[in-house]
Amino acid sequence: QKEVEQNSGPLSVPEGAIASLNCTYSDRGSQSFFWYRQYSGKSPELIMFIYSNGDKEDGRFTAQLNKASQYVSLLIRDSQPSDSATYLCAVLTSGTYKYIFGTGTRLKVLA
Amino acid sequence: DAGVTQSPTHLIKTRGQQVTLRCSPISGHKSVSWYQQVLGQGPQFIFQYYEKEERGRGNFPDRFSARQFPNYSSELNVNALLLGDSALYLCASSFGTGGDGYTFGSGTRLTVV
Repeated sequence: QKEVEQNSGPLSVPEGAIASLNCTYSDRGSQSFFWYRQYSGKSPELIMFIYSNGDKEDGRFTAQLNKASQYVSLLIRDSQPSDSATYLCAVLTSGTYKYIFGTGTRLKVLA
Repeated sequence: DAGVTQSPTHLIKTRGQQVTLRCSPISGHKSVSWYQQVLGQGPQFIFQYYEKEERGRGNFPDRFSARQFPNYSSELNVNALLLGDSALYLCASSFGTGGDGYTFGSGTRLTVV
């Protein structure tokens, strides 16, 4: 079992729709969770992070964390073609300083 | 404000050679981490340095080494290059140990031929 799993996609949504990206992780002791966006040929950029169970909203983005089920998700409201990118889920593993990344989900927003 | 800067941006090396990649963190950031990203995969952790001390090492062979300087900049060295070392090498910095997220540089694209 991979430590951080994401569906590779592509996930295609129409412009204006809600895109839902999911991630599961195996280390039950993990405490910090991050979503990065990576455009083709570019480096990852941090969208948001979440520590506590529940929802965290930042503009059009909402991160959701459920530690009991070991999943974290990212919702993108009013999706725009400029949101088309690969979304990487990362977990800060307990007792270490390293992030474990998933393989990323490729999102396509269709105009 | 300057972000995380990496040099060089692209590099072509021959198998068996050695390479040094450089990274300057955001001003005030004390932590630097290195990641390797192969096409189609997420970044893989190589090293983390905080306050000039190694705080973490990923599952990479001893051919990979790194260090952090008093000004918090960092170098990643790879010896005896293999074809499989071809990848995007990313440096990331944070003020602390990464709990609030890392900021990544634009990366060094290494091609080994």
